[in-house]
Amino acid sequence: GAGVSQSPRYKVAKRGQDVALRCDPISGHVSLFWYQQALGQGPEFLTYFQNEAQLDKSGLPSDRFFAERPEGSVSTLKIQRTQQEDSAVYLCASSLGRGYSNQPQHFGDGTRLSIL
Amino acid sequence: SQQGEEDPQALSIQEGENATMNCSYKTSINNLQWYRQNSGRGLVHLILIRSNEREKHSGRLRVTLDTSKKSSSLLITASRAADTASYFCATVKIRQPIIQGAQKLVFGQGTRLTINP
Repeated sequence: GAGVSQSPRYKVAKRGQDVALRCDPISGHVSLFWYQQALGQGPEFLTYFQNEAQLDKSGLPSDRFFAERPEGSVSTLKIQRTQQEDSAVYLCASSLGRGYSNQPQHFGDGTRLSIL
Repeated sequence: SQQGEEDPQALSIQEGENATMNCSYKTSINNLQWYRQNSGRGLVHLILIRSNEREKHSGRLRVTLDTSKKSSSLLITASRAADTASYFCATVKIRQPIIQGAQKLVFGQGTRLTINP
């Protein structure tokens, strides 16, 4: 079956512009995560959704970052008034999430965001 | 912030040799997972080991976990050129809120593995 799909794969924006990154999780996956990966580093958690509910947004670096998943499937990560330090790869992951169990996460290929 | 560290940061070996990567972490965990990332791609789940397990195998992969030392190792036997990638360990903290499916992963900085033909 299809994996996690992210779009666009690459995004270049000027400082101060708003950007929107899309994630299509695996069908039927309840849990959805966003991570930020700086060059040469491991991913860092941004936010978590269970269906349409955003249950953890403790990793969002500032109020310029906003995420939503209105119908419990597709999710969008929006960054307002982008700054150069926002340049990174943004990864989306999903998991079944049915019960508190040890489950792997399935990752998309990410969106590489470059802020000029 | 990163949970822990991987060692070495980079490893280059000949095809057919075994590769060992180590991971240390800081807090008590529910489980530890290893992921592989090819250049420009997302992460692929390799293996999960629970906090009450000490060793786990999957094909050419062997993972050990020592909770007393807060460390884990990943061994890849009989390496192949296709194993060239970055490898990350990731932990799920034991005191995360019991929210259904909330397996927030905390990653290390990764080991860049190069297999030379």
